[in-house]
Amino acid sequence: ETGVTQTPRHLVMGMTNKKSLKCEQHLGHNAMYWYKQSAKKPLELMFVYNFKEQTENNSVPSRFSPECPNSSHLFLHLHTLQPEDSALYLCASSHPGQGASNEKLFFGSGTQLSVL
Amino acid sequence: GEDVEQSLFLSVREGDSSVINCTYTDSSSTYLYWYKQEPGAGLQLLTYIFSNMDMKRDQRLTVLLNKKDKHLSLRIADTQTGDSAIYFCAESIGGGFKTIFGAGTRLFVKA
Repeated sequence: ETGVTQTPRHLVMGMTNKKSLKCEQHLGHNAMYWYKQSAKKPLELMFVYNFKEQTENNSVPSRFSPECPNSSHLFLHLHTLQPEDSALYLCASSHPGQGASNEKLFFGSGTQLSVL
Repeated sequence: GEDVEQSLFLSVREGDSSVINCTYTDSSSTYLYWYKQEPGAGLQLLTYIFSNMDMKRDQRLTVLLNKKDKHLSLRIADTQTGDSAIYFCAESIGGGFKTIFGAGTRLFVKA
């Protein structure tokens, strides 16, 4: 148990559906992240939030919409996705400003998304 | 540009040493990391090295950093079947909230 919980673990959706991924961290961290993991590709940083403010948007298509209502919760809203968006979506958190701990990331187990 | 490269697959026999290699491109990296991902789980930090060090030992793990060549390696001594996992090399860029990962090396340990 890493202290970062993601739901659902698995999600199958059609291209016209709207769904949301949820992430919650119980570590008292201030920064939260969304990463996309596809087979044989580098882990892709999608979004970063620090103290609820978005600090990074890595040229992610607008069909992915993040929301960070507070430092403990992070959502990724999905709409009109494409089959190539099928991947494992990982949430992470960190506690910036602590040296090496600064960028040490704590990951959830991910949501395995399949877009049909 | 920011890029982290590592080979995708490594197979070793139980009891042997494993060496996983990585190259990175950003010379401003402050920390370099090795994360481990077991099946069905997220990534977990295994070890890290500060960019002004060239070696770090932690039990069975040895991290070597060649800053001139931008090369990082992870050596696992006496590799066990429980070490089978995907190992990700990562660098943190410029003190911000940006950690760049490689594609991961899948380590397969044969009994």
